[in-house]
Amino acid sequence: DTGVSQNPRHKITKRGQNVTFRCDPISEHNRLYWYRQTLGQGPEFLTYFQNEAQLEKSRLLSDRFSAERPKGSFSTLEIQRTEQGDSAMYLCASSLGVGGGEAFFGQGTRLTVV
Amino acid sequence: KQEVTQIPAALSVPEGENLVLNCSFTDSAIYNLQWFRQDPGKGLTSLLLIQSSQREQTSGRLNASLDKSSGRSTLYIAASQPGDSATYLCAARGSGGYQKVTFGTGTKLQVIP
Repeated sequence: DTGVSQNPRHKITKRGQNVTFRCDPISEHNRLYWYRQTLGQGPEFLTYFQNEAQLEKSRLLSDRFSAERPKGSFSTLEIQRTEQGDSAMYLCASSLGVGGGEAFFGQGTRLTVV
Repeated sequence: KQEVTQIPAALSVPEGENLVLNCSFTDSAIYNLQWFRQDPGKGLTSLLLIQSSQREQTSGRLNASLDKSSGRSTLYIAASQPGDSATYLCAARGSGGYQKVTFGTGTKLQVIP
């Protein structure tokens, strides 16, 4: 396993369109996180899965955002009716264990809404 | 609510210099603290992870320390190289609930040849 994989790496979309990103975590990792990072800022937490259960969602995750992790493997993050303010880097991370495990990040998906 | 601050926001040093990056956090109830490196337009690369019971971790030219009681962590880089130029982020993992990770805004380091 070569690490956390995110696809696509870049996405340009028109305002109002829907987009979906995919994250493939390290295979034995049961925890998966989504973060959003805007220019000059640190990553901000969006949502967290333990196996297939979505256990926490940030207030940043409006009704236009939805995330899934079917079967506790890969995860998808969908943004409906995109807005220019959604333009950011979307990062996925995974870790192992009940807690304290090192978090490994993917390369991110950079979204540009025009 | 955990808040993580990194000082300075940017740092420029000549090659070969030793340097220290600072990270402070407001809630000392953390599970661990992790330092990352981020190159422009890229994801995060994990550098060092310090569990709450540890005081420091070392990897090559990097040494990270943790003082939970004062809410501080430092990342020491010895003999800096131009390839060290990147943004360095610290992240504190809370010890309660689902152990939310809170990031600082990073220190942008430039090492001048």
